[in-house]
Amino acid sequence: EVELLESGGDLVQPGGSLRLSCEASGFTLTKYAMSWVRQPPGKGLEWVSAISADGGSFFYADSVTGRFTISRDNSKNTLYLQMTSLRAEDTAAYYCAKLTSSSYAPRNYFDSWGQGTLVTVSS
Amino acid sequence: EIVLTQSPATLSLSPGERATLSCRASQSVSNNLAWYQQKPGQAPKLLIYGASNRATGIPARFSGSGSGTDFTLTISSLEPEDFAVYYCQQRSNWPPSSFGPGTKVDIK
Repeated sequence: EVELLESGGDLVQPGGSLRLSCEASGFTLTKYAMSWVRQPPGKGLEWVSAISADGGSFFYADSVTGRFTISRDNSKNTLYLQMTSLRAEDTAAYYCAKLTSSSYAPRNYFDSWGQGTLVTVSS
Repeated sequence: EIVLTQSPATLSLSPGERATLSCRASQSVSNNLAWYQQKPGQAPKLLIYGASNRATGIPARFSGSGSGTDFTLTISSLEPEDFAVYYCQQRSNWPPSSFGPGTKVDIK
């Protein structure tokens, strides 16, 4: 059974940094692209970032480009999201999601999701 | 960036009734559209991909249709566990992978 377990969410001050982790089990992480999606409290879903299976290609939403960095350590079955220069509008539950293939290319979908980790940016 | 709109925002129905949810794209996404279900306090769950293909383990009462800019998710007969928020997502234009604002299906 596929399991994704996020961690690292916390209360952080504006301008601060945080690193989220997503530990994967139940499937071969090296075969799949992965993504982060966030959801502000009481609001809808927003795609944040994605990375190919081999880590060679990565993509970001305009709202986080230059501030967030996605990475993965396939030897540790773990996906990461390094977040810097955090803003109040980054407050959200952050979900990691597994894609249906090794690529983030079109026609690939998010078929498994973790339970999320909450990031709160406030002074 | 492709913008998705969903209607209605809220759908109030009784168990056993048919639910019809709409998703419209600002430009053609061909059939590169998915539907997700999210219950309170839970992660989203993939229901439909490629506009009309049910994901693994999804009951047959869920069906998707459409192509281009107009899509529909139909739940043929609502079960108590189907009351949730439903999001559409396009996977045509990338890198951004936009989601619609959601339709809440609640109990009448």
